[in-house]
This record gives sequence, structure tokens and C-alpha cells, in this order.
Amino acid sequence: DTEVTQTPKHLVMGMTNKKSLKCEQHMGHRAMYWYKQKAKKPPELMFVYSYEKLSINESVPSRFSPECPNSSLLNLHLHALQPEDSALYLCASSQDSGNSFLAKNIQYFGAGTRLSVL
Amino acid sequence: AQSVTQLGSHVSVSEGALVLLRCNYSSSVPPYLFWYVQYPNQGLQLLLKYTTGATLVKGINGFEAEFKKSETSFHLTKPSAHMSDAAEYFCAVTSLGGGYQKVTFGTGTKLQVIP
Repeated sequence: DTEVTQTPKHLVMGMTNKKSLKCEQHMGHRAMYWYKQKAKKPPELMFVYSYEKLSINESVPSRFSPECPNSSLLNLHLHALQPEDSALYLCASSQDSGNSFLAKNIQYFGAGTRLSVL
Repeated sequence: AQSVTQLGSHVSVSEGALVLLRCNYSSSVPPYLFWYVQYPNQGLQLLLKYTTGATLVKGINGFEAEFKKSETSFHLTKPSAHMSDAAEYFCAVTSLGGGYQKVTFGTGTKLQVIP
């Protein structure tokens, strides 16, 4: 099973709303990632969690707040978003090798959450 | 720093024709190269990868790619295009940085298959 599950598939929210995106994998992967993808562009890395700890925050605005409650779950909490935050949000995961990560390992992607901010 | 360049943001082929999507990389170390496909409103699915060993890599759905170090290329091919191949294709190179695996994507090539 190489599945990364993201919910919801679609989300429409106003600029004052608070919502959360959820990502789940049961492959035993110890690295999980959030990406943002605008139309006709490649994915852009937002956050990296390794061993349930935030490793990388690619200068993402504080209105995006990630959370990794356990090794299988990754959340992205959204608050006071702007219309330009409308995009496809992708979650990915990859395995470690002996308590470290290898560049050759595959990142497995979920189907994404299509977010529209009104 | 590593990078990939995909030549041609749009490629159109007739059904049954050869598919050739171009990818060139830049890397100071032996690269790990990947091709991902993205169907409309979907996530990215791995087509194939090159890490070490055989330079001709076979992937899913009849796709293959050849790693050519002398040309710094990793072009994706398929002998006969199907309508279902219409999608966005991303070439990617990975590296380790800051203790995590970093994926650098190309800008993508949209493949159109004409009946």
C-alpha cells in the first residue's frame, strides 16, 4: 500500500474562517511534507516534518500552521487566508533508512486538497 | 545547487505516435532523477526513477527514460501514445539538505494526445 490520503478533496472558505487540511499515511514513513501548487506550476515546498518534528518551514506565512500529531498524521491549519492562497495543497511522505533520509527515496503524494479562498 | 530543465511546456502528439518529453539536469554530484505524472485535479504519481545502475529505466504505463551522463539528460519516452497519457509531466531531481530529502521539480510539460 503506497497511499497517502488527503481530506477534504475540495474546500471553500472565507477570509475569516478557520479550517484544517488532513493527511494520513500508513506506510511507516517518518518524513511528511506539505506542498502548495498553483495552476500550471510545479509544487512548492511549504513544510517538512521528520520524526514528527518540524524540520523545514520555507518562509510560509503564519496563517498556515502545520501540526504532526503522530507518525501517520499531518495537519495543516488555516486561518485568515487570502484569495491568493487558493491552490492545490499536496501532502507527501517518504521513508527513512536507518534513522536518516536518503536522496534516492521516493516521495509519495496524495491527491491533494483544492482550496478556494473567497 | 541542483536543477532540472524541461524543454517545452506543451507537447502535442497523435494517438499512436512516439512520446518524447525532454529533461536536462544540473548537478555537482551523481543525481537521483524522477519522472512524475499529474492527471487533472490529481496528485503526483511516480512514473519511474533513476538512482544507480542500469541507465535505461522502465516505468509504469509503458514509459521509460534513459539517463545520459554525457548529455546531462533524462528524457522520457513512450513508443505509442494513448489518449489516457494526456497529463502534466514533471521531471525532478532530489538531494539531501538540512537533514531532509529535497525535491527540485522542473516546470512541467503538458502532454496533449490528439485522436
